[in-house]
Amino acid sequence: EAGVTQFPSHSVIEKGQTVTLRCDPISGHDNLYWYRRVMGKEIKFLLHFVKESKQDESGMPNNRFLAERTGGTYSTLKVQPAELEDSGVYFCASSHPGTSGYNEQFFGPGTRLTVL
Amino acid sequence: AQKITQTQPGMFVQEKEAVTLDCTYDTSDPSYGLFWYKQPSSGEMIFLIYQGSYDQQNATEGRYSLNFQKARKSANLVISASQLGDSAMYFCAMREGGGGTSYGKLTFGQGTILTVHP
Repeated sequence: EAGVTQFPSHSVIEKGQTVTLRCDPISGHDNLYWYRRVMGKEIKFLLHFVKESKQDESGMPNNRFLAERTGGTYSTLKVQPAELEDSGVYFCASSHPGTSGYNEQFFGPGTRLTVL
Repeated sequence: AQKITQTQPGMFVQEKEAVTLDCTYDTSDPSYGLFWYKQPSSGEMIFLIYQGSYDQQNATEGRYSLNFQKARKSANLVISASQLGDSAMYFCAMREGGGGTSYGKLTFGQGTILTVHP
């Protein structure tokens, strides 16, 4: 079974440009999460999708960030326009009821975003 | 307010010895879950172990065990018989509400870098 995948693995853009990050969750996982780790800080929650609906977007920093999950499959996170403070590693995770009873989140490898 | 605190930025351990990584948490929700994740240098986050707030016994998964002290609000990870491959960043995280049936967000600590020496 394929894990959570994210594209691209690295992105370097200039301030003011637009970047779109993509996340493909584990097949069949209804829950999809975005997190961000800014350099030296802890990993912070951005938002949570259940299928195509935004369940919790309390962590989205501002309206320059737009997340979508069309058809309840893959998700995109667009940053427009990017600012220097947006640099960091963006993680995607997914979860679904399973046999473990923990509902643990399975994480992707992250996208490292650098805004110059 | 910081909800998850990992006070050890870095830890060193000799191969084959045990090591404890500290984690304290703060919540007013009586139902919560605590998770530990490992992040090797390759970047992916690997789930290690889970402890529910109502679990009577400390969780164990192979060489990993969780020293859960509810009154002290601590959930320390114990790695026994350390291996070179255990060298990584370790994150403690909490999910509030619903315990094992919740799908809510995780709140993470700052992480601890563990280095295992041969």
